[in-house]
Amino acid sequence: DVKVTQSSRYLVKRTGEKVFLECVQDMDHENMFWYRQDPGLGLRLIYFSYDVKMKEKGDIPEGYSVSREKKERFSLILESTSTNQTSMYLCASSSGQGGYNEQFFGPGTRLTVL
Amino acid sequence: AQSVAQPEDQVNVAEGNPLTVKCTYSVSGNPYLFWYVQYPNRGLQFLLKYITGDNLVKGSYGFEAEFNKSQTSFHLKKPSALVSDSALYFCAVRDGLTGGGNKLTFGTGTQLKVEL
Repeated sequence: DVKVTQSSRYLVKRTGEKVFLECVQDMDHENMFWYRQDPGLGLRLIYFSYDVKMKEKGDIPEGYSVSREKKERFSLILESTSTNQTSMYLCASSSGQGGYNEQFFGPGTRLTVL
Repeated sequence: AQSVAQPEDQVNVAEGNPLTVKCTYSVSGNPYLFWYVQYPNRGLQFLLKYITGDNLVKGSYGFEAEFNKSQTSFHLKKPSALVSDSALYFCAVRDGLTGGGNKLTFGTGTQLKVEL
């Protein structure tokens, strides 16, 4: 079974702090994704990566950056958190480049910014 | 641009009755369509997908979905609902014309509640 793990299930931070969210997948997938999930808004794509050291902006990249130094690991960085970044953050991975394959999701990190 | 709409925030159904969760989409080319389910405090799990071929797609846990190109819909169905089906369901679409990996656009989700 594909396993996608996220470094924390719950995080509480103060405004202005730096946050690293780490995601690791164990199935040698090329593609990795970071989403945020908010009630009534569904999932919105923040960034994605289709290869090591490659990254592309999603629909809401402002206030976020990412790093993919190894194939299995994709990190989401919040340089200076703000209260509007309080959300559930979901990581996902998938194989192939054709868009045919389903994404596998991690359990999520619930981030609260005070 | 690709988009997907789930017109119902919540669907209530009695156990044993058939259920339908609606999804409509908009893409430029041929759509790749997916359904995911999220149980409380869990990540999303893949249910089924339509890429090409038969319009009726069967997936996990007895769910199926019908692709209707003329109505640009991909409704999720199950003949007999179970209380354990209660969860948040997401429809997602990818435009077959676009490149850059398999970037999906998700709907806002439909909360399914199955009652005894």
